[in-house]
Amino acid sequence: DAKTTQPPSMDCAEGRAANLPCNHSTISGNEYVYWYRQIHSQGPQYIIHGLKNNETNEMASLIITEDRKSSTLILPHATLRDTAVYYCIVRPRSNDYKLSFGAGTTVTVRA
Amino acid sequence: EPEVTQTPSHQVTQMGQEVILRCVPISNHLYFYWYRQILGQKVEFLVSFYNNEISEKSEIFDDQFSVERPDGSNFTLKIRSTKLEDSAMYFCASLPGQGLRETQYFGPGTRLLVL
Repeated sequence: DAKTTQPPSMDCAEGRAANLPCNHSTISGNEYVYWYRQIHSQGPQYIIHGLKNNETNEMASLIITEDRKSSTLILPHATLRDTAVYYCIVRPRSNDYKLSFGAGTTVTVRA
Repeated sequence: EPEVTQTPSHQVTQMGQEVILRCVPISNHLYFYWYRQILGQKVEFLVSFYNNEISEKSEIFDDQFSVERPDGSNFTLKIRSTKLEDSAMYFCASLPGQGLRETQYFGPGTRLLVL
């Protein structure tokens, strides 16, 4: 599996956009970029995933660079409830494939 | 929205005892997983299960662990003889596997404490 690198922590002001970077320079052609988050020891929660095109859903936007070696998760208007550990995970688009979690980025949204 | 549920939410047991952690995956999902997270550490994959058999397991998933889908709804993780180092949060997850949104949905977890 391609490995990912994320900053260990970042702060964000409430109401502002949070931009979470992830490097995955060894990503291969069939691997997708997935983002999950974990709020205070709850079960990980799926946010978004993409292959090469930018993606947007009700939670976030995912921007993947043209060479696919890095991506950015954007929370458009961060709220206090977005405080969590955010994980960037690269995996093949196969159903039967485990998720390999790293340490993630601890995002703290401040009022 | 359908959710993965897990019981119990907390379990305290004595070292050497057997524990069974229960999960009810989302209905019609075909792939099932167990993960664990020791306090302060990463979420670790334990095992994946499809078509009534284990499809992949990690080094952690040794002979002390087993999984079962005894009926059409439950998915269980059994630890035969618990050790202190088995204390962790255990998360169950399921995935549709039907060409729909291919992502794993996680339950809230069971916090296991081995004394």
